Formats: sequence, C-alpha cells, structure tokens
Amino acid sequence: GENVEQHPSTLSVQEGDSAVIKCTYSDSASNYFPWYKQELGKRPQLIIDIRSNVGEKKDQRIAVTLNKTAKHFSLHITETQPEDSAVYFCAAKGAAGNKLTFGGGTRVLVKP
Amino acid sequence: GAVVSQHPSRVICKSGTSVKIECRSLDFQATTMFWYRQFPKQSLMLMATSNEGSKATYEQGVEKDKFLINHASLTLSTLTVTSAHPEDSSFYICSAGGQGLYGYTFGSGTRLTVV
Repeated sequence: GENVEQHPSTLSVQEGDSAVIKCTYSDSASNYFPWYKQELGKRPQLIIDIRSNVGEKKDQRIAVTLNKTAKHFSLHITETQPEDSAVYFCAAKGAAGNKLTFGGGTRVLVKP
Repeated sequence: GAVVSQHPSRVICKSGTSVKIECRSLDFQATTMFWYRQFPKQSLMLMATSNEGSKATYEQGVEKDKFLINHASLTLSTLTVTSAHPEDSSFYICSAGGQGLYGYTFGSGTRLTVV
C-alpha cells in the first residue's frame, strides 16, 4: 500500500521567516495530495491541495509543489505568523480504494 | 461547503462497555466514510473504509469484531467500540467522501477515554 514519509517532525521558525515541510510517497499512481493543519484536540483543516496534473499551487502565503517523477511534494509557508503554529500533515490518495494515507506530521512553532 | 457532524465530542466509559460514535453528512451524500484513530502526538491512522450499504474494509491489524462500523445510509455512519479497554482511549475521527467531491470532509472528532 501507500507509504508517506514527512520531514521534519518538528520545525521552529522565527516570525516572518519561511517554513518548508517535505513529504515523499511510494505509490506512483497516487493522484491527490492535500495538506492539513491540526490544532490541539481539533479536526484536521485542509489548507491547500494539489492534483497530480499540476506542479505547483499557491494560495496567499501558502504554496505546494509536486514532483511526480521523484514522488515528493512540499508545503511552503512564507511570512510565518504565530497563528501558523500547529501540527501539519501531508497526505496522499492512492489509486486503490480512494483512501488517504497521512504522513507522520510536523509540529511547527513560530516564535514571535 | 460539505459538513460532517460527529457525536459525541467527548465520552468517558467504563472498561468492558461499548461506545457508539456517529458521523452524519449534513449537506451531501457520503458514499464513502473513513474512520481514523489518532493517539496523542501521532498521525491519523486509518482503521477502516465503509461504503454505503456494504461491509466495511478494515486495515491490517484492526479487529473488525471490536470496531463495528455501520454505513446503512448515505448520511450516517457509526463506529461502535465494543468491550472497550483503556488502550482503546484515543481520538477517533471520521472523514467522508461523496459524489462530486474530490477531497474529504472531516468530522470534529471524538475523544474516548476508557477508565
């Protein structure tokens, strides 16, 4: 089945700096790659997603890039703010069963 | 947008009892429901996938007789944790996919504590 690895597991940045989180996946047939932000005790919130026919997508301070050949995708957050502090998960939807496989998560701390 | 309502948000039960968690899709038909479990400071682990009117498909290592999933209608899916034990204490969360929806909508989660 699909295997998604996420790095780093923790990330501390100064307010205003950029944060980058990277994920790799194993199933070359995966076609949908969402990113979620989860605050303590709450549901994951979709912040951006990308489909396999697109290489890059941007939404204000957030961008995602996808390299299908290398089977990796990345989340970029620019001009980080304290409210960006949370756990971020990448995920990949495989071809079988339409299920999402999640990465291990990255705990982001933005220091004011 | 698509909304999934999950209840209860928190439940404390005694060891050996059963607990039912409900997820309802409020404004769309949830053809597929995914059930996840999340332990503290860990990722979401898929437990099972259910399609309306069919038996659920369980992930490897998940006991189907312990975690009963019912998806009898396009708007309701339930997860029953039977004979709960302290090690079943976790955050359980559902995620629904529906016709015309490319992504997934998560419920608000249920914090289960077994004492």
